Amino acid sequence: KAGVTQTPRYLIKTRGQQVTLSCSPISGHRSVSWYQQTPGQGLQFLFEYFSETQRNKGNFPGRFSGRQFSNSRSEMNVSTLELGDSALYLCASSREGRTNTEAFFGQGTRLTVV
Amino acid sequence: TQLLEQSPQFLSIQEGENLTVYCNSSSVFSSLQWYRQEPGEGPVLLVTVVTGGEVKKLKRLTFQFGDARKDSSLHITAAQPGDTGLYLCAGKASGSARQLTFGSGTQLTVLP
Repeated sequence: KAGVTQTPRYLIKTRGQQVTLSCSPISGHRSVSWYQQTPGQGLQFLFEYFSETQRNKGNFPGRFSGRQFSNSRSEMNVSTLELGDSALYLCASSREGRTNTEAFFGQGTRLTVV
Repeated sequence: TQLLEQSPQFLSIQEGENLTVYCNSSSVFSSLQWYRQEPGEGPVLLVTVVTGGEVKKLKRLTFQFGDARKDSSLHITAAQPGDTGLYLCAGKASGSARQLTFGSGTQLTVLP
């Protein structure tokens, strides 16, 4: 069974640009969450999608957005990139329907803003 | 805002030693998960604990969930260099969606 797949693995962008990251969840998993990981702040929750709807959102500016498609694949977009957006962006998928659903992470996308 | 305090932040030990990592909160969690992360990779799930007082063992790793479901610990017996990595605890609050609140992590280095 394939795990969570994130593309691309590495990305270098210039300040002011925008970027789109992709996440394919584990087959059968309908919930996708996104996290930002930085050395100073650790892992911080961005948002969660289920059935193409954003169900929960973390404390990030509106430059961070996402969406989910009917096949549960998800994308997140960051517009007007800032140097501080450099981070490892992680996607996690969960199977809906269980009380304490476990989250399985992809390998992440390493974004560097220069 | 729910916070998870993880300690110690850094731990460097010799192969064969034992260690314990702590994860504490003032909030109650419906479940708590432990992950290990290698550099440049995503966190890998080690265990999920859901019942207060629950103890789970995974080879040389022992995980415990506090009776009040506010804290957890990870104990490693006879650590090996392969145990080196960033250990993260993550809690899920009752009633919330799949959002996890993560601790700041414990960077463990086991020296041969």
